[in-house]
Amino acid sequence: GNSVTQMEGPVTLSEEAFLTINCTYTATGYPSLFWYVQYPGEGLQLLLKATKADDKGSNKGFEATYRKETTSFHLEKGSVQVSDSAVYFCALSSLEGKLIFGQGTELSVKP
Amino acid sequence: EAGVTQSPTHLIKTRGQQATLRCSPISGHTSVYWYQQALGLGLQFLLWYDEGEERNRGNFPPRFSGRQFPNYSSELNVNALELEDSALYLCASSLATGVYTDTQYFGPGTRLTVL
Repeated sequence: GNSVTQMEGPVTLSEEAFLTINCTYTATGYPSLFWYVQYPGEGLQLLLKATKADDKGSNKGFEATYRKETTSFHLEKGSVQVSDSAVYFCALSSLEGKLIFGQGTELSVKP
Repeated sequence: EAGVTQSPTHLIKTRGQQATLRCSPISGHTSVYWYQQALGLGLQFLLWYDEGEERNRGNFPPRFSGRQFPNYSSELNVNALELEDSALYLCASSLATGVYTDTQYFGPGTRLTVL
């Protein structure tokens, strides 16, 4: 079945460091891929998305490219800030309506 | 444009009681989804409603049920509450287009605590 695997956290970085959070997926067909972010005590916010192979989603300095050949959708940011501290979820769409989520990766950015 | 709204923000119940959670989708969205986020268990899909009909449900017992109203708002009911039902319940909405559903936008969630 369809699934998403994310790198385990927590990930701790210093401010202005480069961020990569790995996400790989297993899917049939042509799903869309998403990154959502959850700040403490809040719901999920859509960070970016890509709807087909080789698409690059980007938002707020974050970006991810839909790679069908490596079944990956890694999240990157060139320079993280303390305010980026949150839990990041990779997800893919399905034919059953539901989003299939990875387990989440907690990011902590220190000043 | 208003986002997805959920009420109440927090809900405290005792074991065996019933809980009702409410969700209003983004204007123009016809699909509503419910997810459970329990500590240590990640995000689990509960239910999908579109145009007033239940389209799919996750692997949850029948005491989890819901409905969608003509204005596309939705209600999630949890009967005979158990301690392990304590979780953040997230509602999302989307346009229902194509084979794969469109982007889902989430509300702030309802924190249910069962004592």
